[in-house]
This record gives sequence, structure tokens and C-alpha cells, in this order.
Amino acid sequence: GAGVSQSPRYKVAKRGQDVALRCDPISGHVSLFWYQQALGQGPEFLTYFQNEAQLDKSGLPSDRFFAERPEGSVSTLKIQRTQQEDSAVYLCASSPDLTGNTEAFFGQGTRLTVV
Amino acid sequence: GNSVTQMEGPVTLSEEAFLTINCTYTATGYPSLFWYVQYPGEGLQLLLKATKADDKGSNKGFEATYRKETTSFHLEKGSVQVSDSAVYFCALRNTGNQFYFGTGTSLTVIP
Repeated sequence: GAGVSQSPRYKVAKRGQDVALRCDPISGHVSLFWYQQALGQGPEFLTYFQNEAQLDKSGLPSDRFFAERPEGSVSTLKIQRTQQEDSAVYLCASSPDLTGNTEAFFGQGTRLTVV
Repeated sequence: GNSVTQMEGPVTLSEEAFLTINCTYTATGYPSLFWYVQYPGEGLQLLLKATKADDKGSNKGFEATYRKETTSFHLEKGSVQVSDSAVYFCALRNTGNQFYFGTGTSLTVIP
């Protein structure tokens, strides 16, 4: 299929370990979003890219979180020195254009568990 | 600022019952409004959307009308099925481009 693909689907990390989460958006989609979803909660915004430019990173909870999209397609969310509070599902979404009218298409998420 | 408030769950209904899930929003400007659904073990999927006041979004028997005067976008379905059991999220997208989500409402439909 041509949907948003995230890998890995599940990740268990020891506290203090660095992790990298990958997102392959739908081909040609300009906008890319990362969200964090805690158990029983709605998705919380982390960061937003327009092509390769990171236009909004106001939701990143600390300087341990870093995201990039160097060629305007695949994106990586990196978490350094993971903590237990980082345990959540990390969702990636892409949207085809820049208007506020268009829906986002979500991947299935990466479930991160920090032990 | 921008925010979405959803009806607290969980909601349990019998098959063929009428469903309403309330959603109200706070936004600057004129956002687009969305309902997403998350079936067990799956990712978020768009259910319906409305991009301007008085628009009605509809899909799979679900409907929601963008009410600017009450800042609401309530989700309704006349006759729910067991297969509608899922978590429903109301969301808005504003000119800043990010999406703001409610906390989700879990629906269970029993035969």
C-alpha cells in the first residue's frame, strides 16, 4: 500500500539508551507531523515539517528530542537518553499540501517502552 | 489559543441505538474540523471533515455539522453497529498547520 509507514512498530529501550524512530510519508506529501500519544489520551503535537524545513518544534518536550527530514521525504525522530516518561506511542502523519483544509494521513505508530 | 474538548467516555450502547459524541473547540480564525477513528490495534483514520461554518461532513452513516455559533462539531449516527466500536477523536487544523486533538471517546457497541 501507499500509506504512511513507521518503523519499528515496537521498541523497548533501557533507560538512558538512545532511540531512532523512522517515518516514511506518502510520496509527494509536503507536510509531515510527529505526535506523541500516551495511553488513553489524544495525540499531542511534537513537531511539523514543510518539505525539509522544520517550521514548528514547539511540542518537543525537551532537548533530548530531535527530529529531521533532510531530503523532504523520510523523517526520523530521535530521543536521546530515554526516560520512563518517554514511554508512549509516537505517531507520524503526512498531508499533501499546505492548506489548513486537508486531512492528515497517519501511520500505525511506534510503541516505545522505556524500562 | 487552540483546543478541543470532547465528551468523556467510555460510552456503551446497544446495537441500533443512536449515538452522539459531543465536541467543542476553541480556535483563533477559521479552523477546519475533523473526526478521526481508531479501531483496536490500528492507526488513526479520517472519518469525516468540514472546512467551513455550516458544512456537514458525513461518512459510513456518521455525520457532524460545523457550528460556528456554538463552536461545536458533534458526531452523530442514527443506528450504531458492533463494528463501530472504536475510539473517536475530534480534531481541528488551523492556519498554523498543526492538528489539535481531543482526548478521545471510547465507544463499545454490544449486540
